[in-house]
Amino acid sequence: DSGVTQTPKHLITATGQRVTLRCSPRSGDLSVYWYQQSLDQGLQFLIQYYNGEERAKGNILERFSAQQFPDLHSELNLSSLELGDSALYFCASSVAGEYWDTQYFGPGTRLTVL
Amino acid sequence: SQKIEQNSEALNIQEGKTATLTCNYTNYSPAYLQWYRQDPGRGPVFLLLIRENEKEKRKERLKVTFDTTLKQSLFHITASQPADSATYLCALDKGSNYQLIWGAGTKLIIKP
Repeated sequence: DSGVTQTPKHLITATGQRVTLRCSPRSGDLSVYWYQQSLDQGLQFLIQYYNGEERAKGNILERFSAQQFPDLHSELNLSSLELGDSALYFCASSVAGEYWDTQYFGPGTRLTVL
Repeated sequence: SQKIEQNSEALNIQEGKTATLTCNYTNYSPAYLQWYRQDPGRGPVFLLLIRENEKEKRKERLKVTFDTTLKQSLFHITASQPADSATYLCALDKGSNYQLIWGAGTKLIIKP
């Protein structure tokens, strides 16, 4: 158990809908990362937050947005969903968000768009 | 831009042998390189980090080397066991922007 929690574990929805994925980082970690992993694909970095502020942005679509709240939990919002958005979405956390930090990954949310 | 190459084909190794996985990168040498293990449907788990001024790092049956001349890191598992079967990912810093670049991973299969 990494100490990172993600809810829900599974999400099935229809095209055009909007969903929110939730992540609670490990106790003491200030940075949160979001990744997308499609079937048999590598990890695609989406976005990183540090202590409530956006720190780095990857290939995140405009339909996707995220935020980190004062209690450090984070939410990833996906809107106008398309079939191609079906994937595993991982949240990870680290102590300070530096690139030498170990990232601790949550169990993921499996999103299926029908 | 920086790119990472890991063996896209699965690596089949006999139990007890040493498994060696490769991570090649282009362009600049990263200051840090990390290796993670990922089991199907689960999040990656950190294994080892090696710095650019370190040639080798060990942890139990795991060993990582870092050759900045060859722009390559090798990940070794000695006395491999079926439980070592997983996908292994390497990740390195982008040099800026706090972001890690991730390889696609190599699937390792240890046969009894």
